[in-house]
Amino acid sequence: DTGVSQDPRHKITKRGQNVTFRCDPISEHNRLYWYRQTLGQGPEFLTYFQNEAQLEKSRLLSDRFSAERPKGSFSTLEIQRTEQGDSAMYLCASRKGTSGSLDTQYFGPGTRLTVL
Amino acid sequence: AQKVTQAQTEISVVEKEDVTLDCVYETRDTTYYLFWYKQPPSGELVFLIRRNSFDEQNEISGRYSWNFQKSTSSFNFTITASQVVDSAVYFCALRMDSNYQLIWGAGTKLIIKP
Repeated sequence: DTGVSQDPRHKITKRGQNVTFRCDPISEHNRLYWYRQTLGQGPEFLTYFQNEAQLEKSRLLSDRFSAERPKGSFSTLEIQRTEQGDSAMYLCASRKGTSGSLDTQYFGPGTRLTVL
Repeated sequence: AQKVTQAQTEISVVEKEDVTLDCVYETRDTTYYLFWYKQPPSGELVFLIRRNSFDEQNEISGRYSWNFQKSTSSFNFTITASQVVDSAVYFCALRMDSNYQLIWGAGTKLIIKP
């Protein structure tokens, strides 16, 4: 299997601009997660998809954040009207199933967002 | 409440030394799963190990070994004969049987000096 891929790897934007990130999970992984990670911290859960359905959203995900997975394959995370506090690494992870070790999440390389 | 504590913020050792990274967890569930991930400077979280609560056997994989002790709610990770390439941030995480969200520790930054 190829791993989880994310694009872009780095994004620098000015405050107030909109940004969109893409995640391509491992093929046949129907579960997909988005996390945010700031320096010196572990990942914070943002949202979770099973196929195309968004099943969970964290309270961290304000109205400016939206995520989609229209065909149950790749996913996009959009941040509107970015703020400096949005600067972080955005991580995507996927997993295959629910039984046994299929619950293991595999992570992409992340998109590092810097808001000036 | 569920929680993962990695008390060691940063550890620095000289190459070839053995080093142990501590992980203490809290949960009231009887069925749960523990994970270790490595995050090198490139940023990608690399899965290392998964352990379920019913399997207390220690595991060894090359220079890596894990000691799971339910009595002390710990899942410690030891690197034997450390190498510079082991330098990374290491995260311990917990998942309950009731959902698939991971609860993460704050991570331990491991620096291996040549």
